Amino acid sequence: DTGVSQDPRHKITKRGQNVTFRCDPISEHNRLYWYRQTLGQGPEFLTYFQNEAQLEKSRLLSDRFSAERPKGSFSTLEIQRTEQGDSAMYLCASSLEDVSSGNTIYFGEGSWLTVV
Amino acid sequence: AQKITQTQPGMFVQEKEAVTLDCTYDTSDQSYGLFWYKQPSSGEMIFLIYQGSYDEQNATEGRYSLNFQKARKSANLVISASQLGDSAMYFCAMRFEGDNFNKFYFGSGTKLNVKP
Repeated sequence: DTGVSQDPRHKITKRGQNVTFRCDPISEHNRLYWYRQTLGQGPEFLTYFQNEAQLEKSRLLSDRFSAERPKGSFSTLEIQRTEQGDSAMYLCASSLEDVSSGNTIYFGEGSWLTVV
Repeated sequence: AQKITQTQPGMFVQEKEAVTLDCTYDTSDQSYGLFWYKQPSSGEMIFLIYQGSYDEQNATEGRYSLNFQKARKSANLVISASQLGDSAMYFCAMRFEGDNFNKFYFGSGTKLNVKP
């Protein structure tokens, strides 16, 4: 399977613990995105990378959140001191760098986080 | 500010019939891209169809067509000959020239149920 893959698919953690999610994009894609989706809502943008550079971060990304893409390939999203409000699905997506309206992005299956 | 509105939280359709899912938007940008994604219960966002703001013809992809009415700022998805496998969440999404098409914005989604 050469699509976007995310790990783990599901994570249950106690409040206050740290969690890390990993995303492996489609191999030739140099752009990588993280989105958050809560129940009954559409995905909300968190951040994106072009190669290893993090080019934009949403205000939703508090200082407890950090994302990295050290070698421009896979990416990690870490949440420190988790809170119940962090419970959501975290979606990763990737695309080629193509600044045009029609360039679509390809999503992984998401990582579900439940904070208890 | 960019805003995408999907006013139908849930829809039912009989198998083999056509269904229209509504999407309206608000933007001052002249150039933008309109997308529809399908999200089954597995979580993955599946790209369905794209329409550029300057495209004069409505986009079609198999059983999917996009009814684009630029003056009304609407981009409804029409699914013809519904199948049971079409039951899923459907999201209208856009990217805008105003932020260099760097990220997607999503509506809140419509849950479609296809009845046998």
